[in-house]
Amino acid sequence: AQSVTQPDIHITVSEGASLELRCNYSYGATPYLFWYVQSPGQGLQLLLKYFSGDTLVQGIKGFEAEFKRSQSSFNLRKPSVHWSDAAEYFCAVGGTSNTGKLIFGQGTTLQVKP
Amino acid sequence: GAVVSQHPSWVICKSGTSVKIECRSLDFQATTMFWYRQFPKQSLMLMATSNEGSKATYEQGVEKDKFLINHASLTLSTLTVTSAHPEDSSFYICSAASGATNQPQHFGDGTRLSIL
Repeated sequence: AQSVTQPDIHITVSEGASLELRCNYSYGATPYLFWYVQSPGQGLQLLLKYFSGDTLVQGIKGFEAEFKRSQSSFNLRKPSVHWSDAAEYFCAVGGTSNTGKLIFGQGTTLQVKP
Repeated sequence: GAVVSQHPSWVICKSGTSVKIECRSLDFQATTMFWYRQFPKQSLMLMATSNEGSKATYEQGVEKDKFLINHASLTLSTLTVTSAHPEDSSFYICSAASGATNQPQHFGDGTRLSIL
């Protein structure tokens, strides 16, 4: 079955510290992978996506993610977290057509300490 | 580019009324639109997928007569919650896809529905 797992429900980091949010997926074919961020009461903003090619992808707001096929992972990283990064983060997997549906992980709530 | 507008952003209404939510792709043509439901502190659950000019495909457990979806044009899809009840209160989010290669879905800002 297709699924996405975000093992960490809640993460707290200090401002300026590095961040890694974990994402593991189960998918029968080569997946498209996404990270989205959601602020309270808002929709989803795309941080970055992996379709093919270089397994290290750069996104907006200084985020990056690395696709590791052998580990079925697509972890999100940021070298130095800012207070404005506090939000809900969702990893998602989809098929090779963007008109195919996305499967979302449970989400990780990021809290940033001053 | 790739803006999706969702309206209204917040609606409060009495139990038994029907509520229509609009999802518009403002600067691209959306061959496919998706409707999601999100409960507090939870992830997005896909309700249905709609393709322009055809009937929506509903996910298992979603009542098609309760949640009416219309995708009449390449820039507009609507979700109507019929005879809404308090248990229908939720955050509803749409997304739109152009069908172009290597282009992601784009999400609206969501609609907070509260049924009294």
